[in-house]
Amino acid sequence: EVQLVESGGGLVQPGGSLRLSCAVSGFTFNSHWMHWVRQAPGKGLVWVSHISSDGIDTKYADSVKGRFTISRDSAKNTVYLQMNSLRAEDTAVYYCARDVGVEFDYWGQGTLVTVSS
Amino acid sequence: NFMLTQPHSVSESPGKTVTISCTRSSGSIASNYVQWYQQRPDSAPTPVIYEDNHRPSGVPDRFSGSIDSSSNSASLTISGLKTEDEADYYCQSYDTTWVFGGGTKLTVL
Repeated sequence: EVQLVESGGGLVQPGGSLRLSCAVSGFTFNSHWMHWVRQAPGKGLVWVSHISSDGIDTKYADSVKGRFTISRDSAKNTVYLQMNSLRAEDTAVYYCARDVGVEFDYWGQGTLVTVSS
Repeated sequence: NFMLTQPHSVSESPGKTVTISCTRSSGSIASNYVQWYQQRPDSAPTPVIYEDNHRPSGVPDRFSGSIDSSSNSASLTISGLKTEDEADYYCQSYDTTWVFGGGTKLTVL
């Protein structure tokens, strides 16, 4: 069974940092691109970041470029999102999702990040 | 990059058919596949259409997708509406980055 489990969310002050994790199981991790997608409270889905299956290629939404870093650890079957210089507008549920070439076919349950003083 | 514009909300009665549109702001809708996701309250999104008009395994054939180059838009059509179809629906496509539409709240009443 394919599973994606996010963790690492929480309350952080503006300007602070958090590292989100997405532990996956049930499929060959090294064969898939992975993404982070976020959803602010009561708002729609927004793509945040992508990482290729070998970890070499990464992309970011303009709103997080230079502040967020995506990475992956094949030994731990885990994708990470390091978030620095956090702002109030980064408050959202963050989902990781598996890419099967076109669609995001499996999503985690999400982890809530709240940026507030 | 481009934007995908969806109606904020639609409503229809059980048993009827509803269509949700998704209009691409620039570039051809046909140049990159369109996907559709269903999100029920307090749940993660799940795909209901991929590659414009294909259904993932387990998605009923009441769900169908199409694209229209003349209006530069994609559509999700749900026929024989059921109360369980009540959810938010998002279109998604790709150019240099991945883009989601703003979402459409479907009410089945």
